[in-house]
Amino acid sequence: GENVEQHPSTLSVQEGDSAVIKCTYSDSASNYFPWYKQELGKRPQLIIDIRSNVGEKKDQRIAVTLNKTAKHFSLHITETQPEDSAVYFCAASMDSSYKLIFGSGTRLLVRP
Amino acid sequence: NAGVTQTPKFQVLKTGQSMTLQCAQDMNHEYMSWYRQDPGMGLRLIHYSVGAGITDQGEVPNGYNVSRSTTEDFPLRLLSAAPSQTSVYFCASSHTGESYNEQFFGPGTRLTVL
Repeated sequence: GENVEQHPSTLSVQEGDSAVIKCTYSDSASNYFPWYKQELGKRPQLIIDIRSNVGEKKDQRIAVTLNKTAKHFSLHITETQPEDSAVYFCAASMDSSYKLIFGSGTRLLVRP
Repeated sequence: NAGVTQTPKFQVLKTGQSMTLQCAQDMNHEYMSWYRQDPGMGLRLIHYSVGAGITDQGEVPNGYNVSRSTTEDFPLRLLSAAPSQTSVYFCASSHTGESYNEQFFGPGTRLTVL
């Protein structure tokens, strides 16, 4: 089955710097890659997603890139702000099953 | 729309007790799933369903049963609770087919097994 690995497990950056979180997946049939943000004590919420027919997607300060050949995708947050501090999860799924397999998460701390 | 709802929010069980975690959605989503979240281990898929009457196992199904008799509800049953099942449980739902996209999560149930 699908396996998703996520790095780093923790990331500390200065406010205004960029943050990059990387994930790799094992099943080449996966074609949907969302990123979720989870604040302390809250439910995960989707912040951006990408499908395998697209190499990059941006939404304001957040971008995701996908390399299908290497089977890895990354989340980029620019101009980080303290409210970006949270746990971020990558995930992968395929249209044939819809089940979403998550990485182990990255705890991002943005220092004021 | 209430979205995805879960009850209870908190539960304490003794080893060997049984209980059912409730999950409901009002978005007419075909796909529903259950995850458990443990520190440092992310969200692990327990069971999922692509429609009423259809269920399948995820990554960590042992000790849990599910059924899907309606589109709206997807209860998770613990037949004989064990301390290893202490966790936060999330239910999620989404459309399937060409509409497949974001999975929406419920608020979670924090379960402690003593």
